[in-house]
Amino acid sequence: SYELTQPPSVSVSPGQTARITCSGDALPKNYAYWYQQKSGQAPVLVIYEDNKRPSGIPERFSGSSSGTMAMLTISGAQVDDEADYYCYSTDSSANQFGGGTKLTVL
Amino acid sequence: EVQLVESGGGLVQPGGSLRLSCAASGFSLSSYVMYWVRQAPGKGLEFVSAISTKGGGTHYGNSVRDRFTISRDNSKNTLYLQMGNLRPEDTAVYYCARALGKPSADYWGQGTLVTVSS
Repeated sequence: SYELTQPPSVSVSPGQTARITCSGDALPKNYAYWYQQKSGQAPVLVIYEDNKRPSGIPERFSGSSSGTMAMLTISGAQVDDEADYYCYSTDSSANQFGGGTKLTVL
Repeated sequence: EVQLVESGGGLVQPGGSLRLSCAASGFSLSSYVMYWVRQAPGKGLEFVSAISTKGGGTHYGNSVRDRFTISRDNSKNTLYLQMGNLRPEDTAVYYCARALGKPSADYWGQGTLVTVSS
């Protein structure tokens, strides 16, 4: 099966670096994508194809992937970055979201 | 302005059916792979279904396969999700989404709530 595992929560102080992991056996062969979802809002793509940032997404958001683990890094996290973050991956036979990680910045 | 507006949600009894619609405006639906993604109250995102640009290819999540059918009418710029044999665990906000993972194309509607309860 195609499963992606994330930690339920991560907490940092403003200005610190937040790191959110996503693990899955299919990640060595497939890209990871990251979505940010703030309370009551639709998700927004913040990282695509492991490490690329869409236009309009702040430079403090970055992504990496190695082996079975992908990581979203928020350098100098801000209070406004507080949200749920979901990894996502897909191949020809499956589309899967991770369980989500609640990032608290306080 | 790009818009995706979902409709058709509501309260339905277990075993019942419901059809969701997603009206697209500001772009041509025919150019994009389209998706349905759901989110149960207080839970995470779950892939429901995807459909190719012309509708010839479809894909479903394991929990809805054989009960839900995705379709599209590009002439009406509208995406659909026919849901059958509904269960309480299908209760969720259902989002219509365009081109998941594609920069500058990835776009989500605001969702429509489906509640399955007796």
